[in-house]
Amino acid sequence: GQNIDQPTEMTATEGAIVQINCTYQTSGFNGLFWYQQHAGEAPTFLSYNVLDGLEEKGRFSSFLSRSKGYSYLLLKELQMKDSASYLCAFYGGATNKLIFGTGTLLAVQP
Amino acid sequence: GAGVSQSPSNKVTEKGKDVELRCDPISGHTALYWYRQSLGQGLEFLIYFQGNSAPDKSGLPSDRFSAERTGGSVSTLTIQRTQQEDSAVYLCASSLVSGSPNEQYFGPGTRLTVT
Repeated sequence: GQNIDQPTEMTATEGAIVQINCTYQTSGFNGLFWYQQHAGEAPTFLSYNVLDGLEEKGRFSSFLSRSKGYSYLLLKELQMKDSASYLCAFYGGATNKLIFGTGTLLAVQP
Repeated sequence: GAGVSQSPSNKVTEKGKDVELRCDPISGHTALYWYRQSLGQGLEFLIYFQGNSAPDKSGLPSDRFSAERTGGSVSTLTIQRTQQEDSAVYLCASSLVSGSPNEQYFGPGTRLTVT
């Protein structure tokens, strides 16, 4: 079957670094996505990993290990506006259907 | 428009009534998706359209739910005989499909409340 798991909530301090983990199980794999969703808004695309390793994009980086079924999103120099839900998702198997985790609600405190 | 649009933004309906939710994808995007998000939950896949292919309806929770996509563009999600458990935000997304990473672009959603 297909399964995806991430922590429900995290708290971090403004200016700090936070790592949000995501683990998944699937028989087929076509890439892993991270989306950001502010309260009451639509999810917006942050990053995509299809090969093992780290993808860096400004203050945000995403890592993937396909053999371990593991990814993380790293947020540096946290700002208050980074308070949001972060959704991990993958394309399962031969479909174009994105399977989403329940999201990690990140609260950035002063 | 530049992004995915959805209407209405909010809909309050009485239990037992039918509702229609509309989605206008990004021009040129061949794939269109519907998701449902209940309060504090992740996104639940409902249905997927790709070009002229038969839609993937595997996520529709019951036969009260249906969707169509006319002319390969605008899509309508219909919920018949609404129930209180149908209350959620219904999100539409579109993507190009070809190429990588094929990220999905989401609309602002329709918040449905069934009383």
